Amino acid sequence: EPEVTQTPSHQVTQMGQEVILRCVPISNHLYFYWYRQILGQKVEFLVSFYNNEISEKSEIFDDQFSVERPDGSNFTLKIRSTKLEDSAMYFCASDDRGQGGYTFGSGTRLTVV
Amino acid sequence: GIQVEQSPPDLILQEGANSTLRCNFSDSVNNLQWFHQNPWGQLINLFYIPSGTKQNGRLSATTVATERYSLLYISSSQTTDSGVYFCAVGIQGAQKLVFGQGTRLTINP
Repeated sequence: EPEVTQTPSHQVTQMGQEVILRCVPISNHLYFYWYRQILGQKVEFLVSFYNNEISEKSEIFDDQFSVERPDGSNFTLKIRSTKLEDSAMYFCASDDRGQGGYTFGSGTRLTVV
Repeated sequence: GIQVEQSPPDLILQEGANSTLRCNFSDSVNNLQWFHQNPWGQLINLFYIPSGTKQNGRLSATTVATERYSLLYISSSQTTDSGVYFCAVGIQGAQKLVFGQGTRLTINP
């Protein structure tokens, strides 16, 4: 069964450093997403991406965040200057628009120290 | 925005028991999914079920869209069913999924 692949599985970074989280969505999906889950809380939407541009973003997705699809397969989330409160599990997802719903990757656990 | 409420928040059962998890939502939806978050944090897609009934082995789900709720049934629970179950919905015109707070299910041997 096709899957969404995320790397790394766990990243520890110093406050103020830049991090890039990487994702390879399912190849025939056209819609890509980033979500995050702070420990013990519910999953929150960050941003959706379609046709090489952001199509929707949440209040959480401020100027510190950016997304990019640098080639035909990768989808990245960059956090420019990490804060302690950015510590969370970050999930990438892709969607085939109605054929089966979202498929989520296994997540990247980001720890900011 | 749309509100998603799941009940119960916690459920502790013995192996072999059956359970019913509920998801209520406050507006019409065009997407509803049930996910299982396992102890490693992975979100496993169980059902894509904006309406109707589906079954997959010991799990089944029913969504009554007109009454704005969905139910997830787990029969003959196993310890590997433990984890958090999330309901997530999407509405027409928006691309995001809105998640409920989850039901934490613990199956004891």
